[in-house]
Amino acid sequence: AQSVTQLDSQVPVFEEAPVELRCNYSSSVSVYLFWYVQYPNQGLQLLLKYLSGSTLVKGINGFEAEFNKSQTSFHLRKPSVHISDTAEYFCAVIPNQAGTALIFGKGTTLSVSS
Amino acid sequence: KAGVTQTPRYLIKTRGQQVTLSCSPISGHRSVSWYQQTPGQGLQFLFEYFSETQRNKGNFPGRFSGRQFSNSRSEMNVSTLELGDSALYLCASSRRGMIAESTDTQYFGPGTRLTVL
Repeated sequence: AQSVTQLDSQVPVFEEAPVELRCNYSSSVSVYLFWYVQYPNQGLQLLLKYLSGSTLVKGINGFEAEFNKSQTSFHLRKPSVHISDTAEYFCAVIPNQAGTALIFGKGTTLSVSS
Repeated sequence: KAGVTQTPRYLIKTRGQQVTLSCSPISGHRSVSWYQQTPGQGLQFLFEYFSETQRNKGNFPGRFSGRQFSNSRSEMNVSTLELGDSALYLCASSRRGMIAESTDTQYFGPGTRLTVL
């Protein structure tokens, strides 16, 4: 079975500081990896995804993530956050096999203050 | 192009009632998946429809059902509502959905917030 662990439930940071949201996964098969963001009272918006190729993936809003197969991690980073980045962030995987759904982590709430 | 739309955005029902939620996918997308989001359980997969057929199903009781129409629009129905069904129900669409070696990306709607009193 697959699982996703987001290591921090809440991450408070000051504006313009760097941030890293950590995600580890467990799977017996290869997976595709995603980060989604959810703003209050909204659905999920895709930030970035790793399907294959370069392990450093760049997404929208200045976010990037690095896939580390040996550590089964897919941490999300941003060098300088803004107040508007305050939201909940979800790491998700989908196993590379038929008939499987996205498996989400519990989410990390990023709170950016001035 | 237009994103995934869900109606209604908010619903209040009482225990024992039934409810129907609607989802219109992005044009050209044939797969629609439904997820339940609660503070305790997080995001959980309900089921997926592709070309009017349920292709995958999560671990939810039979009170949760759905269907998909020929235009790919999908409805989800919950019968005999329970307090624990209060949640945000998210719909996601993609071109091909959950097939082997799929690199298909799911795009989510804003959700329907269901409150059961």
